[in-house]
Amino acid sequence: DGGITQSPKYLFRKEGQNVTLSCEQNLNHDAMYWYRQDPGQGLRLIYYSQIVNDFQKGDIAEGYSVSREKKESFPLTVTSAQKNPTAFYLCASSIDPPYSNQPQHFGDGTRLSIL
Amino acid sequence: AQSVTQPDIHITVSEGASLELRCNYSYGATPYLFWYVQSPGQGLQLLLKYFSGDTLVQGIKGFEAEFKRSQSSFNLRKPSVHWSDAAEYFCAVGADLDGGSQGNLIFGKGTKLSVKP
Repeated sequence: DGGITQSPKYLFRKEGQNVTLSCEQNLNHDAMYWYRQDPGQGLRLIYYSQIVNDFQKGDIAEGYSVSREKKESFPLTVTSAQKNPTAFYLCASSIDPPYSNQPQHFGDGTRLSIL
Repeated sequence: AQSVTQPDIHITVSEGASLELRCNYSYGATPYLFWYVQSPGQGLQLLLKYFSGDTLVQGIKGFEAEFKRSQSSFNLRKPSVHWSDAAEYFCAVGADLDGGSQGNLIFGKGTKLSVKP
């Protein structure tokens, strides 16, 4: 079955450490997204990518970095510059040529905590 | 800028009762509107979407939503709630990106639904 796989499900970060969250999709979707979810805050967009080798900052990109070397993969790195990284991180994808809106399909998330 | 407001943070209904979750949006043109559901510790699942046409849209799990342009609303309804409907519900609107392209979604802060037996 096609879908989005996020790993790991739980991740712990030490102070000063960078950690990378994995997101893989086999839906052949062009666009991929990373969201951060905090209680009572809804979803906030970190980064998005509409095509391979291109990505754009979302609303809260500071302290995060991404790459899009393959259509299927969109890893997110939480850097040591992100001072409050504890959150639930969701990856999504969509068939998304520009100028159209398609539903986004979500992975099951990664919960990141600080040790 | 586009925005989405879900006025109710938490709603409790009895099993078998009807449900309406409110969503108001701010958008200059005809919006693309979505409702998603999230169970604890899980990702979001699409319930239904509105792009154009009939203002009453049917979704999965017996949910429906009505687009009312005059009220800038897209409320989610279900005639009879089941215990398994307990979850968090998010309304979202399709956003304009720089240059006029669309594709990103702006989410409301969610409404948590509890179901009493």
